[in-house]
This record gives sequence, structure tokens and C-alpha cells, in this order.
Amino acid sequence: GENVEQHPSTLSVQEGDSAVIKCTYSDSASNYFPWYKQELGKGPQLIIDIRSNVGEKKDQRIAVTLNKTAKHFSLHITETQPEDSAVYFCAASGWAGGGADGLTFGKGTHLIIQP
Amino acid sequence: AAGVIQSPRHLIKEKRETATLKCYPIPRHDTVYWYQQGPGQDPQFLISFYEKMQSDKGSIPDRFSAQQFSDYHSELNMSSLELGDSALYFCASSLAEDHWGQRNIQYFGAGTRLSVL
Repeated sequence: GENVEQHPSTLSVQEGDSAVIKCTYSDSASNYFPWYKQELGKGPQLIIDIRSNVGEKKDQRIAVTLNKTAKHFSLHITETQPEDSAVYFCAASGWAGGGADGLTFGKGTHLIIQP
Repeated sequence: AAGVIQSPRHLIKEKRETATLKCYPIPRHDTVYWYQQGPGQDPQFLISFYEKMQSDKGSIPDRFSAQQFSDYHSELNMSSLELGDSALYFCASSLAEDHWGQRNIQYFGAGTRLSVL
């Protein structure tokens, strides 16, 4: 099955700086790569996603890049703000016969924004 | 906008008891997924349903079963509970294909915190 590795496990950056979180996946059949933000006591919140037919996607301060050859994708957050502090999870999935594949998550990155 | 609704939010059970968790997907969503998240861990996929049929299966124990009903809500039934079943249980829902041709973007509920004593 799919295996997703995520680094770093903890990332501390100064407010206003950029943060980068990296993930690798093992299954070349995976074609959908979402990123979720999870605050304490809450469910994962989708912040951005990318599919295998696209190399990069941007939404305001957040961007994701995908390198299918290297099986590597990254989350970039610019101009970080205190409210960006949370645990971030990358995930990967393919499409099962019915299309409802479960997501395989990375272990998460605890992002700390220092004021 | 309406989100995924899970009930109950908190549940306390004794070992060997049974528990039923409910999930109400976002209106018009036809697919539901169940995940288990232990303390400090990533969510682990359990099972999914599309149009009331099981679609994908992950690491769901044999003691657990789930189904999706005609109104698309889903229930996760857990029997012979063990201490190790204590976790957050999330339901997510998606639309098989939206207006832009995007498939199965999963939106998560707030979760049910199950404590087994």
C-alpha cells in the first residue's frame, strides 16, 4: 500500500517568514495530494490540494508543488501569521474502483509561528 | 455553509461494550469516509462508502462495521470495545464529481472522541 513520509515533524519560524513542509510518497499510482491543517480538538481542514496532472498550485499565501518523477510534493506558506500555527498533514490517494479511495496521511508537522 | 455533522461529540464506554457513531455528510455529498486518529498520530483510514456501497477498505478491525443509508448518512458500529479503541473518529464526505470535474475532495467533520475505560 501507499506510504507517505513527511518532514519536518516540528517547524518553528518567525512571523512573516516562509515555511516549507515536504512529503514523499511511494505508490506511483497515487494521483491526488491534499494538505490539511488541524488545530487542537478540531477536524482536519483542507487548505489546498493538487492532482498529478499539475505541477504547481497557488492560493494566496499558500502554494503546493508536485514532482511526480521524484514522488515528492511540498507545501509553501509565505508571510506566516500567528494563526498559521497548527499541525499540517500531507496526504495521498489514488482512485479505487468506485473512486472513493481513502487518504494515506503523513505523520504531520507541528508548525509554530514565533511572534 | 453546511459542514459534516458527527454525533455524539464525546462518548465514554466500558471495555467490551458497543458504540455507534453517526455521520451526516455535507448536503448532496454521496460519499463518506471514516478515519481513526490516536493521540498525537495521523488519521488512519478505516472504510468508505459511495452511493450506499462499500468502496474502499483500510485498517478497519473485524469488530467494527459501517454502512451508508439511503439519506447518505453513515454509522460506524464498534463492538467488544478495547482500551486501544480510544481515539478521535472522523467522518469525511465528498462528491464523486463536482461542477468543475473535481473528484472526491474530502471534507472532515469535527470528530467523535471515544474513551474506553
